[in-house]
Amino acid sequence: GESVGLHLPTLSVQEGDNSIINCAYSNSASDYFIWYKQESGKGPQFIIDIRSNMDKRQGQRVTVLLNKTVKHLSLQIAATQPGDSAVYFCAERPTGTASKLTFGTGTRLQVTL
Amino acid sequence: DTAVSQTPKYLVTQMGNDKSIKCEQNLGHDTMYWYKQDSKKFLKIMFSYNNKELIINETVPNRFSPKSPDKAHLNLHINSLELGDSAVYFCASSPTPVTGELFFGEGSRLTVL
Repeated sequence: GESVGLHLPTLSVQEGDNSIINCAYSNSASDYFIWYKQESGKGPQFIIDIRSNMDKRQGQRVTVLLNKTVKHLSLQIAATQPGDSAVYFCAERPTGTASKLTFGTGTRLQVTL
Repeated sequence: DTAVSQTPKYLVTQMGNDKSIKCEQNLGHDTMYWYKQDSKKFLKIMFSYNNKELIINETVPNRFSPKSPDKAHLNLHINSLELGDSAVYFCASSPTPVTGELFFGEGSRLTVL
């Protein structure tokens, strides 16, 4: 079946460095992509989204890049802080499936001091 | 005030029992969801309601029955619990069915012995 997946299950970065979390998706019918952050013992929290008619979107310290040619999504976190330590999920929504998000497998980001 | 609150936070029970998890949101959102997160952190949608009407019903055993008495509440009842039902169940809400920005509760960890 079609799926959303991540290349690295765990990413370790030093405080202050930039982090890049990658996600590969296989459903070419997806037109909307979202990144979520889940801290230990909490529910996922929305970070940023991007529609398929864009290839880049920036938020506060975060940037999402979308490459539709290779079906790749990435989340860049600038100046990573200890509070960024969490599991990050990408999610996709195929066209015409309102409210039905498919989540990827998650990447754990560990920030070292 | 907690935006999306679910109870109980922890639930330990024997196989074959029936249990319920309650969810309430005070955000005024129209759409509510139940997601299941397994031990590998994989998040999968189970149900979605919009204004008390079921709009998503994934391939979930019919032992799981959601109920939405009003648009601020979405409860999940599970009959004849099985070992494989052990997971963290997340309730979420969103302003409309088409947004990808979901607001999640803190989860209810269900352990079936």
